[in-house]
Amino acid sequence: GQNIDQPTEMTATEGAIVQINCTYQTSGFNGLFWYQQHAGEAPTFLSYNVLDGLEEKGRFSSFLSRSKGYSYLLLKELQMKDSASYLCAGMDSNYQLIWGAGTKLIIKP
Amino acid sequence: DADVTQTPRNRITKTGKRIMLECSQTKGHDRMYWYRQDPGLGLRLIYYSFDVKDINKGEISDGYSVSRQAQAKFSLSLESAIPNQTALYFCATSELDTDTGELFFGEGSRLTVL
Repeated sequence: GQNIDQPTEMTATEGAIVQINCTYQTSGFNGLFWYQQHAGEAPTFLSYNVLDGLEEKGRFSSFLSRSKGYSYLLLKELQMKDSASYLCAGMDSNYQLIWGAGTKLIIKP
Repeated sequence: DADVTQTPRNRITKTGKRIMLECSQTKGHDRMYWYRQDPGLGLRLIYYSFDVKDINKGEISDGYSVSRQAQAKFSLSLESAIPNQTALYFCATSELDTDTGELFFGEGSRLTVL
């Protein structure tokens, strides 16, 4: 079956670095997405990886290892506004997204 | 104004009632989707449409129907609402043949079925 696993909740301190992990099993693979979702709001796109390696975009970076079925989202210089849920989603061979339940990130001062 | 607009944003209804959630977009995208989100679960796809004449069932289509009235409009109906359809519903769009297939979400419609 298809499955996306990510931690339910993480806590980090303002100004620090946090890594949110995601493991995936999909029927075929056409990329791995990360979305940010603030409470009560719509998800917004953060990153897309289809090749192995690290993609950096400002304070946020995303890593993919296709052989391990593994990705992580790295957030640097954490700010209070980064408190949100982070959704990992894998795209299968039919170009359908399989979503994880999301990781709620709590930032403490 | 939002590029993807959902109405209503909040709705409380009773078991057995018919409910329609509407979605319109100004992004000019061909692909539109309806998802539901429940606490502790990932987003689950209800229906999707790749153009006006193309409608496809997602993983949880039972109890739902859709209509693609135009490229810009995609509505979701619950013919006879039941309490376990209480959820947050999102409409989303994407562009055909882009590098990422990024989804653009509406603001969500929170539905409560009593």
